[in-house]
Amino acid sequence: GAGVSQSPRYKVAKRGQDVALRCDPISGHVSLFWYQQALGQGPEFLTYFQNEAQLDKSGLPSDRFFAERPEGSVSTLKIQRTQQEDSAVYLCASSFRQGQGGELFFGEGSRLTVL
Amino acid sequence: GQNIDQPTEMTATEGAIVQINCTYQTSGFNGLFWYQQHAGEAPTFLSYNVLDGLEEKGRFSSFLSRSKGYSYLLLKELQMKDSASYLCAVRDGNDYKLSFGAGTTVTVRA
Repeated sequence: GAGVSQSPRYKVAKRGQDVALRCDPISGHVSLFWYQQALGQGPEFLTYFQNEAQLDKSGLPSDRFFAERPEGSVSTLKIQRTQQEDSAVYLCASSFRQGQGGELFFGEGSRLTVL
Repeated sequence: GQNIDQPTEMTATEGAIVQINCTYQTSGFNGLFWYQQHAGEAPTFLSYNVLDGLEEKGRFSSFLSRSKGYSYLLLKELQMKDSASYLCAVRDGNDYKLSFGAGTTVTVRA
């Protein structure tokens, strides 16, 4: 596609439910990132994939968070047993290459609200 | 870890100039980025600096001083559509991950 596509755009979950957020990066982009953005804050790094390999998951806040990119394109961020503090916008970004000058292209995000 | 500071809010008049400062303390440095984010939308890339000096791109310019851990984004000839949040982000020595500041909300008034 022309840009990074994320779905759903909006998700309301009851506390304790599991949710899955999908990211379709720009075709051919090697690097894929997930960020969490709370209201009025900048994006916070969650995890990084290079192709299908998850090279960094240091930002995942707990073991309830899990991400995968099995074929090196589409990625899914799964949150189990959601809590109210998980409410945020989850941004996916992709990049053609890593390293200097490799700008990130962001999707519009999935806004998760946990009641 | 990263420590990236930028002002929370700025207000300016249409046609004027606004300068958004960003200071950072990082373990290693591999580039500084500025992104624009309108409410409810995706951040979009504005500029990238890795060497000291000024990078100019139309109405937007970005400056970097690595020795001072300092950057600014200069917005000239402000337009109403420039009202947005501006995010400063630093790539440290790991060569892939961006760490973001909290963003500066710029409001342009007629």
